[in-house]
Amino acid sequence: AQKVTQAQTEISVVEKEDVTLDCVYETRDTTYYLFWYKQPPSGELVFLIRRNSFDEQNEISGRYSWNFQKSTSSFNFTITASQVVDSAVYFCALRPVIQGAQKLVFGQGTRLTINP
Amino acid sequence: GAGVSQSPSNKVTEKGKDVELRCDPISGHTALYWYRQRLGQGLEFLIYFQGNSAPDKSGLPSDRFSAERTGESVSTLTIQRTQQEDSAVYLCASSLPSKTDNYGYTFGSGTRLTVV
Repeated sequence: AQKVTQAQTEISVVEKEDVTLDCVYETRDTTYYLFWYKQPPSGELVFLIRRNSFDEQNEISGRYSWNFQKSTSSFNFTITASQVVDSAVYFCALRPVIQGAQKLVFGQGTRLTINP
Repeated sequence: GAGVSQSPSNKVTEKGKDVELRCDPISGHTALYWYRQRLGQGLEFLIYFQGNSAPDKSGLPSDRFSAERTGESVSTLTIQRTQQEDSAVYLCASSLPSKTDNYGYTFGSGTRLTVV
């Protein structure tokens, strides 16, 4: 069975602070994809990143960075110098890389509030 | 179209009535997914269509729920004899086949269903 756990239900920080959203996953598959999505108040989920399980190189995209550690089954997401527009619910998700197994398994989400 | 379109955006229905939710995927996206998001919760997989293959219905919560898709076009999710616990946002997503899909899914804005 596959499971994604986002232990932080809500996080609130002041603008310009750095913030890390945790994601821990469980899977028996040897290869899989991990994702992060952003859900702003408008409701539409926005794709942020996809990481393949055999590529453990960390990634940085502007103020966003992702730390993938296969040894601890974690895929954490850090926002540097947070801004009010970063306020949203963030979801971590998992999908195996095998034919036919398309569905994403989502975590419960972390509601991030950036206060001015 | 440019994105995944869902209609209606909001639906209020009386307990016991049937409802139909519509999803129009991105042109060329052979895969289509339905998810349910209860208030403050993560995304719960319902059903997945891939081309002409048999759909993966493993997430449908009861036989009151059904979905159809003709070819690679529009899908409808039908909920019969609605119950109050069916109240949620129903999200549709589409994607290219897994081998060519680099960006996960593209989600629609969802249909907010309220059963009174």
